Amino acid sequence: NAGVTQTPKFQVLKTGQSMTLQCAQDMNHEYMSWYRQDPGMGLRLIHYSVGAGITDQGEVPNGYNVSRSTTEDFPLRLLSAAPSQTSVYFCASSYMSSGYNEQFFGPGTRLTVL
Amino acid sequence: DQQVKQNSPSLSVQEGRISILNCDYTNSMFDYFLWYKKYPAEGPTFLISISSIKDKNEDGRFTVFLNKSAKHLSLHIVPSQPGDSAVYFCAASEGPGGSNYKLTFGKGTLLTVNP
Repeated sequence: NAGVTQTPKFQVLKTGQSMTLQCAQDMNHEYMSWYRQDPGMGLRLIHYSVGAGITDQGEVPNGYNVSRSTTEDFPLRLLSAAPSQTSVYFCASSYMSSGYNEQFFGPGTRLTVL
Repeated sequence: DQQVKQNSPSLSVQEGRISILNCDYTNSMFDYFLWYKKYPAEGPTFLISISSIKDKNEDGRFTVFLNKSAKHLSLHIVPSQPGDSAVYFCAASEGPGGSNYKLTFGKGTLLTVNP
């Protein structure tokens, strides 16, 4: 199993550009989520999904869109990038049926918005 | 309002000694707690967890203690090894058995284990 994969690893955008951060998992996990990590801020939840076709907002959703058309993929879209979105983005996934909440994280995408 | 607090940004210990990382929380609905370890340029990796029905969970060198009345948990690493040097995040979720899958993270503690 590849686990949770994220692409790209690094990205530089100009203010106002849009882009999609890709996330895929091959563990058949129902739950997937996106976090951002900023210096001194820990990880903050952006959006999450409990299954294909179902998404919801987390703590910091503004400026981001998500969709979940398949169990495996959970892309994060930046609609109009702003310097405040410079951050490291992590995708995570977990089973829901076990009752546990051990989430598996991808390696991250480091995004810089100029 | 920060619901999960790790008040020590950093901790330095000698190899072979005990490392104790602390975490406090304010949300009384939190029912499941986890510790994650993160190396630079990598994603967080799960370390150990504890349900609110327990006060201790042990896995090898790692033990997590939960004091619900004080809303406090701690991670003990014994003995500490240089490879344990990383950022440690405390996280919590609501709901029985962690079935509410949203995690709230603390800001992390950088542990440095000196040879």
